[in-house]
Amino acid sequence: GAGVSQSPRYKVAKRGQDVALRCDPISGHVSLFWYQQALGQGPEFLTYFQNEAQLDKSGLPSDRFFAERPEGSVSTLKIQRTQQEDSAVYLCASSSGTAGNQPQHFGDGTRLSIL
Amino acid sequence: AQTVTQSQPEMSVQEAETVTLSCTYDTSESDYYLFWYKQPPSRQMILVIRQEAYKQQNATENRFSVNFQKAAKSFSLKISDSQLGDAAMYFCAYEGYDMRFGAGTRLTVKP
Repeated sequence: GAGVSQSPRYKVAKRGQDVALRCDPISGHVSLFWYQQALGQGPEFLTYFQNEAQLDKSGLPSDRFFAERPEGSVSTLKIQRTQQEDSAVYLCASSSGTAGNQPQHFGDGTRLSIL
Repeated sequence: AQTVTQSQPEMSVQEAETVTLSCTYDTSESDYYLFWYKQPPSRQMILVIRQEAYKQQNATENRFSVNFQKAAKSFSLKISDSQLGDAAMYFCAYEGYDMRFGAGTRLTVKP
């Protein structure tokens, strides 16, 4: 597709379950970002990939959060042993450049609800 | 750490009128980028306008323009001839060493 694709669009899980969120960036985009957006707030940075290398994971809130991009294209954000505070929209963005020299293009996000 | 502040949680404008959304930021970096994103209920973040900090000239994009005051660390967005489709959440964002977003301003456009 022409844009960033995220799946699933909605995910409901019980507390303690593991979840995996997928991001398909725009083809050829070098940079990939994950953000967490709580209700009524702006997105918060989670992690950044340049190709397959995870260059920054300083925003991951705990060691229950893990992201990968093994072949430098599709990325997966995994949350283990989910907690209610993990409920949020998770946004993925990709960019053809690095360090802001090209704009980020965002997907529609995955709304995660933890019961 | 860089912080981005949007002091107006909500704004309202009459259709065809002009509205200005405020944004200030704090940074010790000299090279960075500033953005305004629009987020409608569909959740997708749509880039409205982008400003490179080393450029003194204010960015414009059709009905959207910014007032970038680097010394004051201010980056406001002006929307001219407001349209009903402009109604959305607007986020100011800073990208330097990392990417930071403000808390957003909800814009309502009245017919």
